[in-house]
Amino acid sequence: NAGVMQNPRHLVRRRGQEARLRCSPMKGHSHVYWYRQLPEEGLKFMVYLQKENIIDESGMPKERFSAEFPKEGPSILRIQQVVRGDSAAYFCASSPQGLKTEAFFGQGTRLTVV
Amino acid sequence: QKEVEQNSGPLSVPEGAIASLNCTYSDRVSQSFFWYRQYSGKSPELIMSIYSNGDKEDGRFTAQLNKASQYVSLLIRDSQPSDSATYLCAVGAGTALIFGKGTTLSVSS
Repeated sequence: NAGVMQNPRHLVRRRGQEARLRCSPMKGHSHVYWYRQLPEEGLKFMVYLQKENIIDESGMPKERFSAEFPKEGPSILRIQQVVRGDSAAYFCASSPQGLKTEAFFGQGTRLTVV
Repeated sequence: QKEVEQNSGPLSVPEGAIASLNCTYSDRVSQSFFWYRQYSGKSPELIMSIYSNGDKEDGRFTAQLNKASQYVSLLIRDSQPSDSATYLCAVGAGTALIFGKGTTLSVSS
């Protein structure tokens, strides 16, 4: 049973480009969380999605950031017009039944904006 | 705003000792509580989950929950150098899983 898969593991983008980060949850999991982590800092909640629905996006910046979790395929975190401050590690986690159950993390995507 | 608070540390213990990690949370209606371990440059790894008041033991780890005091703790018995990492407390609060900033544990041999 494969774990949570994130790709790419490393992503370099120039300022102004778009970044698309993918997260495939564990088999049987329909809930996905996205987090951002800056060096030496904690995990900052961004968004919680269930298949085809955004449950809580209170941690998402109002502009340039969006997330989706379609019926088929991985969850996507999209960052438009990236700036240097977007450089961070982005982690996703999945769980079978939301907050009542354990969530497991992927390996993360390290985004570097140059 | 829902918050999860942890002492940043570092917490230093000798090998074989008990390490005690603490966490408080602000949302009284939180129902699920988790401890994760994160090594530098790696992703968080789930150690324990706890949902009801009291203690839950798994090997060398014991999680303790007191909802009245809004307090969660993790005890690590017989600490090993390989336990040296950052320990993250996470709380299911409303519609989000919120993390504390973590406590860095250093176990010396």
